[in-house]
Amino acid sequence: AQTVTQSQPEMSVQEAETVTLSCTYDTSENNYYLFWYKQPPSRQMILVIRQEAYKQQNATENRFSVNFQKAAKSFSLKISDSQLGDTAMYFCAFSDNDMRFGAGTRLTVKP
Amino acid sequence: EAGVTQSPTHLIKTRGQQATLRCSPISGHTSVYWYQQALGLGLQFLLWYDEGEERNRGNFPPRFSGRQFPNYSSELNVNALELEDSALYLCASSFTGYNTEAFFGQGTRLTVV
Repeated sequence: AQTVTQSQPEMSVQEAETVTLSCTYDTSENNYYLFWYKQPPSRQMILVIRQEAYKQQNATENRFSVNFQKAAKSFSLKISDSQLGDTAMYFCAFSDNDMRFGAGTRLTVKP
Repeated sequence: EAGVTQSPTHLIKTRGQQATLRCSPISGHTSVYWYQQALGLGLQFLLWYDEGEERNRGNFPPRFSGRQFPNYSSELNVNALELEDSALYLCASSFTGYNTEAFFGQGTRLTVV
């Protein structure tokens, strides 16, 4: 079974600084997708960014970017210019058919 | 376009009772996923339905069950409720396949007393 590991239960960052959240996964598949979801205090899950495994280029969405290392099965999320509204739980997810999530990292952006 | 809708928003049950949670996917989506999120914790995979069939289930006892209807909506049933079943239950839907984003509902907060 596929597993997703987020080794950082909690992180904090000063407003306007950069933070990186780590994620590793385990799979024997070659074709799959990876996602980062954000869950703010409202509890609504929101997609932040997605990465296709067959693409070598790292995905970028405005202040959010990933470092995808397929051989190492690593998929980290970098948040640049952190904003107070980035405070949330962040979940890494893996999908090759069904979708599995990591345990989450609680990120706090401090003013 | 309507998003994923879950009902009820909140549900309070007594230990030993049964709970039924409902989910309506986004129009056109055939896959429905159920997750349990205990307070402050991550998402635990419960069930995946696609095209009316159960495709996979997580490491939960058989008293957690569900079904998907011809219109792709889904029910999650929890029998013989235990206090530890208190959690936020999230439903997500997507198109079939690994390369599609899952869209989440707002969740059902189940409290077992």
